[in-house]
Amino acid sequence: EVQLLESGGGLVQPGGSLRLSCAASGFTFSSYAMTWVRQAPGKGLEWVSTITSGGATYYADSVKGRFTISRDNSKNTLYLQMDSLRAEDTAVYYCARRMPQPTNYFDYWGQGTLVTVSS
Amino acid sequence: QTVVTQEPSFSVSPGGTVTLTCGLSSGSVSTNYYPSWYQQTPGQAPRTLIYSTNTRSSGVPDRFSGSILGNKAALTITGAQADDESDYYCVLYMGRWVFGGGTKLTVL
Repeated sequence: EVQLLESGGGLVQPGGSLRLSCAASGFTFSSYAMTWVRQAPGKGLEWVSTITSGGATYYADSVKGRFTISRDNSKNTLYLQMDSLRAEDTAVYYCARRMPQPTNYFDYWGQGTLVTVSS
Repeated sequence: QTVVTQEPSFSVSPGGTVTLTCGLSSGSVSTNYYPSWYQQTPGQAPRTLIYSTNTRSSGVPDRFSGSILGNKAALTITGAQADDESDYYCVLYMGRWVFGGGTKLTVL
């Protein structure tokens, strides 16, 4: 059974940093691209970042230069390093498995971890 | 900047049929955007319903179907049930993934 478990969320001050983790199990982690999607309170879903199985990375304009996605295939874990955090980064962050091209959709999702940026 | 548009809200009667749409602020949606649809109830993670325009994800009942209608992607729910009351999001792939704003579906 595919499982994705996020952790690392919490309260952080504006300008601060946080690292999210997503522990994967039930599939060959190294073979899949992985993605972070976020949802601000009461708002819709927003794509944040994707890392391919080969390590290529992609970012939404809203986080480019501040967030870094990475993966450790030996630990079956996906990461999101978030720096220079802003109030508008407050959201539940979901990790999701991305299916290969050309379908390019997200088939499994974690339960999410809440990040609150506030002083 | 291209915006993916969805109806903010919709209502359907139990047993009824409803079609939610997913468009572009500029241009038409085609299968080349590989539209996908996700269902989300409050406090829960999204659930994948449809990918590549019209392919149901594993375990999704066949009363959910996807298509292209005119210049938009569409999600049709046939025989709506009370537990279909959720938020529905479409996503289009345009070199990056762009979510629509979501449609809040009420079943009453």
